[in-house]
Amino acid sequence: RKEVEQDPGPFNVPEGATVAFNCTYSNSASQSFFWYRQDCRKEPKLLMSVYSSGNEDGRFTAQLNRASQYISLLIRDSKLSDSATYLCVVLLSGSARQLTFGSGTQLTVLP
Amino acid sequence: NAGVTQTPKFQVLKTGQSMTLQCAQDMNHEYMSWYRQDPGMGLRLIHYSVGAGITDQGEVPNGYNVSRSTTEDFPLRLLSAAPSQTSVYFCASRRLNTEAFFGQGTRLTVV
Repeated sequence: RKEVEQDPGPFNVPEGATVAFNCTYSNSASQSFFWYRQDCRKEPKLLMSVYSSGNEDGRFTAQLNRASQYISLLIRDSKLSDSATYLCVVLLSGSARQLTFGSGTQLTVLP
Repeated sequence: NAGVTQTPKFQVLKTGQSMTLQCAQDMNHEYMSWYRQDPGMGLRLIHYSVGAGITDQGEVPNGYNVSRSTTEDFPLRLLSAAPSQTSVYFCASRRLNTEAFFGQGTRLTVV
């Protein structure tokens, strides 16, 4: 079983749609969680950190369920510019190496 | 504020050649890492460092060497390039328990 699993997609949605991505992680000692965005042929960039209480940044909402070892990202009112691959990233507390990446979920927002 | 700088952006090598991918960060981060990204595989850790003079292996270290003589620099050396090392390479830096910042990547082709 992969340490971090994501539905690879692709998700093809019309502009204005709401889309949700899910991610599960296997190590219960995982402590920090992030969503990254990666545009085609570019480096991953931090979209948002995921906090235990859930957090929102504009059209983006991230949720964490520690009991189910599950992270989600919700994008409301999708824009064409949201088209990218979204990476779920998990970090073990105090670990030098254990920044573990999911394989990514590909999103295409259609006009 | 340059962040993480990688050079070169593109490189073509012949099988058996050696080369060094450069990575520098100006954020005074303790942790630096090298990843490779292949289609459908996500980001895989090659080597990482927790500070000057300290390096360790990731999940796919074979064929690569690293050193960390300063906080700022973390070069990755390919000893004898093989076609299986054709990939996109990303350098990243971070502080303990925080998100990683990535360089722009090096696209390497080994023929």
